Amino acid sequence: EPEVTQTPSHQVTQMGQEVILRCVPISNHLYFYWYRQILGQKVEFLVSFYNNEISEKSEIFDDQFSVERPDGSNFTLKIRSTKLEDSAMYFCASSDSGTGTYEQYFGPGTRLTVT
Amino acid sequence: AQTVTQSQPEMSVQEAETVTLSCTYDTSESNYYLFWYKQPPSRQMILVIRQEAYKQQNATENRFSVNFQKAAKSFSLKISDSQLGDTAMYFCAFMRPSNDYKLSFGAGTTVTVRA
Repeated sequence: EPEVTQTPSHQVTQMGQEVILRCVPISNHLYFYWYRQILGQKVEFLVSFYNNEISEKSEIFDDQFSVERPDGSNFTLKIRSTKLEDSAMYFCASSDSGTGTYEQYFGPGTRLTVT
Repeated sequence: AQTVTQSQPEMSVQEAETVTLSCTYDTSESNYYLFWYKQPPSRQMILVIRQEAYKQQNATENRFSVNFQKAAKSFSLKISDSQLGDTAMYFCAFMRPSNDYKLSFGAGTTVTVRA
């Protein structure tokens, strides 16, 4: 069964460093998302991406964040200068609205630890 | 913005018994989708069940069923014949079909199934 994959599973970085989180969505999906979950808290929407551009972003997704689909398969989230409060689990998701089910399939997540 | 409320932080249930998780939401939309996601200790997000607002019939997936009350804006999840593998955090989520299809999550309910 097709699945969303994410790398790395765990990233440790120092405050102020740049990180890139990578995702490979399901191949025929058209909509891509990043969500964040701070430990013990709810899952929060960061950004949605469709047709090679951002379709919506939350107030969390400030100028330090960017997304890119550099080729036909990868979908990346970049944090330019990490802060301690960026420590969280980051989930990538994809969906194919053409099926009418609007189900989003989540990757296993990347745990980001900023020290 | 849509608000999703899960008022039960934790629930405990004996194996083989039934547990019901509550979820309410706030929206002025008439067309939307509701989801329950399961997050086991691995922190993977797994779709449990989906409900379309325009369908009056409650969705069912094996031991999982929902009670969707549109007028009351309520969407509860019933887990029947609970199994140890059902131990997880359960998140209720709302989605309004649009260009972005983003999910808005509740705070989650931790379910512990006792042997």
